[in-house]
Amino acid sequence: DAGVTQSPTHLIKTRGQQVTLRCSPKSGHDTVSWYQQALGQGPQFIFQYYEEEERQRGNFPDRFSGHQFPNYSSELNVNALLLGDSALYLCASSSRLAGGQETQYFGPGTRLLVL
Amino acid sequence: GNSVTQMEGPVTLSEEAFLTINCTYTATGYPSLFWYVQYPGEGLQLLLKATKADDKGSNKGFEATYRKETTSFHLEKGSVQVSDSAVYFCALRADSWGKLQFGAGTQVVVTP
Repeated sequence: DAGVTQSPTHLIKTRGQQVTLRCSPKSGHDTVSWYQQALGQGPQFIFQYYEEEERQRGNFPDRFSGHQFPNYSSELNVNALLLGDSALYLCASSSRLAGGQETQYFGPGTRLLVL
Repeated sequence: GNSVTQMEGPVTLSEEAFLTINCTYTATGYPSLFWYVQYPGEGLQLLLKATKADDKGSNKGFEATYRKETTSFHLEKGSVQVSDSAVYFCALRADSWGKLQFGAGTQVVVTP
């Protein structure tokens, strides 16, 4: 049973560019959440997608946007990259159908470096 | 707002020593509580969880008890191994949509 997968594993961009990160949830999961983890810090919630709609959003600017596809996979897009966007981006999946106490399972992350 | 506070690291221990990592939280209602572990260069792995007061989560020799009276969820292990060297994150989920809020993490270094 494949777990949560993310691509690419590493990415280098320059300021002002745009980036797209991808996530495939664990089999049977229908909800995808994205987190940003800066070096030496805990993950910060960006947003969550369920039924192809953004359901919750953390304190991130509109430069951060996302999408969920009918097969439950998801993309995170970041426009106008800033140096401060350099971080590990984590995708987590869960099953809302499993009930309100579902557990989130994390992928290995995409490490983004903005130069 | 909701928040999680955990003890600062690094925590350096010898193999077979007892490990405690303190975690306290602030939240309205009755959050679910989690411990995740992150090994170098990897994502987060769920270590254990507790969903209501007095629940004890346990896994791989680690334990944590949900203490509502002290708003705490301290992680313990009786005898650590070198392979337990990692960063440990305490987290809470306070709503049904599942947004997790994490502490800053505690690095644990176990030496032979």
